[in-house]
Amino acid sequence: DVKVTQSSRYLVKRTGEKVFLECVQDMDHENMFWYRQDPGLGLRLIYFSYDVKMKEKGDIPEGYSVSREKKERFSLILESASTNQTSMYLCASSQTRGGRSPLHFGNGTRLTVT
Amino acid sequence: GENVEQHPSTLSVQEGDSAVIKCTYSDSASNYFPWYKQELGKRPQLIIDIRSNVGEKKDQRIAVTLNKTAKHFSLHITETQPEDSAVYFCAASKGNNDMRFGAGTRLTVKP
Repeated sequence: DVKVTQSSRYLVKRTGEKVFLECVQDMDHENMFWYRQDPGLGLRLIYFSYDVKMKEKGDIPEGYSVSREKKERFSLILESASTNQTSMYLCASSQTRGGRSPLHFGNGTRLTVT
Repeated sequence: GENVEQHPSTLSVQEGDSAVIKCTYSDSASNYFPWYKQELGKRPQLIIDIRSNVGEKKDQRIAVTLNKTAKHFSLHITETQPEDSAVYFCAASKGNNDMRFGAGTRLTVKP
């Protein structure tokens, strides 16, 4: 069974702090994704990566960056956290290139920025 | 980019009735359409998916239909049970490693 692990379930940070959200998958998946989930807006794609050191912007990349130094790990970075980044963040991975395989999600990190 | 719209946003049915959730997509190049179920406090999990070379797929009480011409696809749940209560998300992907989701439907099945 695929396991996608997000390092924190809950985080509380102050405005202006640099925040790191970590995600690790154990199935040698090529693709990894970061989504943000807000009520009434569904899951919005922030960034994705289809290979080590490769990254692509999603629909809402502003205020975020990512890092993929190893195949199994994909980090989301909030350079200077703001209150409008308070949200649930979901990491996901998938097996094949081409976007035609299902995503496997982590349990999510609920981030509160005060 | 791809835009996925999902309706209704909330749906309440009596146990044993059927539930239908509909989604439309904007990019005719999309060719993969999964559905995810998210129970309260849990991660989204795939329940069924369909590829663009198929018009319908069924798995026990769950079925998905796809109309490529109209660019819409639907989830059908028959004989609903209280454990079907959850938020359901549709998604569309056109094979370039990005998947776009609808806003979600909160389904409540009343015993």
